[in-house]
Amino acid sequence: ELKVEQNPLFLSMQEGKNYTIYCNYSTTSDRLYWYRQDPGKSLESLFVLLSNGAVKQEGRLMASLDTKARLSTLHITAAVHDLSATYFCAVGRANKLIFGTGTLLAVQP
Amino acid sequence: DAGVIQSPRHEVTEMGQEVTLRCKPISGHNSLFWYRQTMMRGLELLIYFNNNVPIDDSGMPEDRFSAKMPNASFSTLKIQPSEPRDSAVYFCASSSHSGVNSYEQYFGPGTRLTVT
Repeated sequence: ELKVEQNPLFLSMQEGKNYTIYCNYSTTSDRLYWYRQDPGKSLESLFVLLSNGAVKQEGRLMASLDTKARLSTLHITAAVHDLSATYFCAVGRANKLIFGTGTLLAVQP
Repeated sequence: DAGVIQSPRHEVTEMGQEVTLRCKPISGHNSLFWYRQTMMRGLELLIYFNNNVPIDDSGMPEDRFSAKMPNASFSTLKIQPSEPRDSAVYFCASSSHSGVNSYEQYFGPGTRLTVT
């Protein structure tokens, strides 16, 4: 059974600081996705990572995938308040996505 | 494209009543997914369809829940009878099997269900 673990579950950051969210998964997959969810809103796709070593960046967020280590990271650079949200990673299994528990990110002034 | 459309956006009903949630996937997408999200259990996959055919309904909590996809542009999730523990946000998502970002799921706005 594929399991997806995220850590930390909750992250309180100061504006301007850097931090990394980790996503570990238990069995082989070559597809990994990162989503963002604002309070009371739906899930919005951020990144799609489809191969080992894939790296994608959008603004202050950068995601990477190491399929051999079964690990993806979401790095936040110089956090700003607008990044406060819950971030989910999801691993592809056949047609399904297996979601992690989410990381609640709170960026404090 | 309008994205995934769900209705209603909010539903308040009394215990024992039937509830029907509706979803219109993105045109051209092959797969449709129903999720439930609660604080306690997080995001749970209830059921998904490929080409209108139910593939995996192992996440459906009990027989009170049923889902149909009569055509490529419409799906329903029905709860009968509803119970207070069914209160949650229900998301519908769709994906395509082809293209650059195949299997990427696009989520609808969700239906917030409250059963009193």
